[in-house]
Amino acid sequence: DGGITQSPKYLFRKEGQNVTLSCEQNLNHDAMYWYRQDPGQGLRLIYYSQIVNDFQKGDIAEGYSVSREKKESFPLTVTSAQKNPTAFYLCASSIATGQETQYFGPGTRLLVL
Amino acid sequence: SQQGEEDPQALSIQEGENATMNCSYKTSINNLQWYRQNSGRGLVHLILIRSNEREKHSGRLRVTLDTSKKSSSLLITASRAADTASYFCATVSWGKLQFGAGTQVVVTP
Repeated sequence: DGGITQSPKYLFRKEGQNVTLSCEQNLNHDAMYWYRQDPGQGLRLIYYSQIVNDFQKGDIAEGYSVSREKKESFPLTVTSAQKNPTAFYLCASSIATGQETQYFGPGTRLLVL
Repeated sequence: SQQGEEDPQALSIQEGENATMNCSYKTSINNLQWYRQNSGRGLVHLILIRSNEREKHSGRLRVTLDTSKKSSSLLITASRAADTASYFCATVSWGKLQFGAGTQVVVTP
């Protein structure tokens, strides 16, 4: 059963706390992405990775960090420096960066307590 | 920054009617993609049209691309209640997807 999974579905963050969102894919894709979606808006790119041990900042990387130690996994940490973290976070993967279709996970909704 | 902009922002139609939404973009592109998002879910890829193509079909979907006008349209024919979702265009340039804000489509039985 191939696909891309994200956990948890809902995540609550306290003031000053770092939280990590999980993203796993078994599609054997090289490229992975993290997007942020605010209500009524499109997706904005946070970080992307073209290959293991490599990642690049997207349009809104401040306050976020990522790692890519395994091909299957691309976790996103929302740090305390991100002052407005409440949003819907979507992970995606594609065969390679460039022109290919992206496959999306079900998303994680992050809420601030 | 958002490359694509969809129009209209929202669309309400009855089952059986056609739904048309448009996407305009600013810079040259490699290809343009359309995605669907059901409420609170991830995006699902619908169709990809390359910059050298003018029209593409997939089931009840028809996509056109006019690179001279920097615009694309998505037509859903004979709509169903299950087509209720937000639809996003995404342009590919410099190896990255850039999404518009989407068109919210509601299909009533």
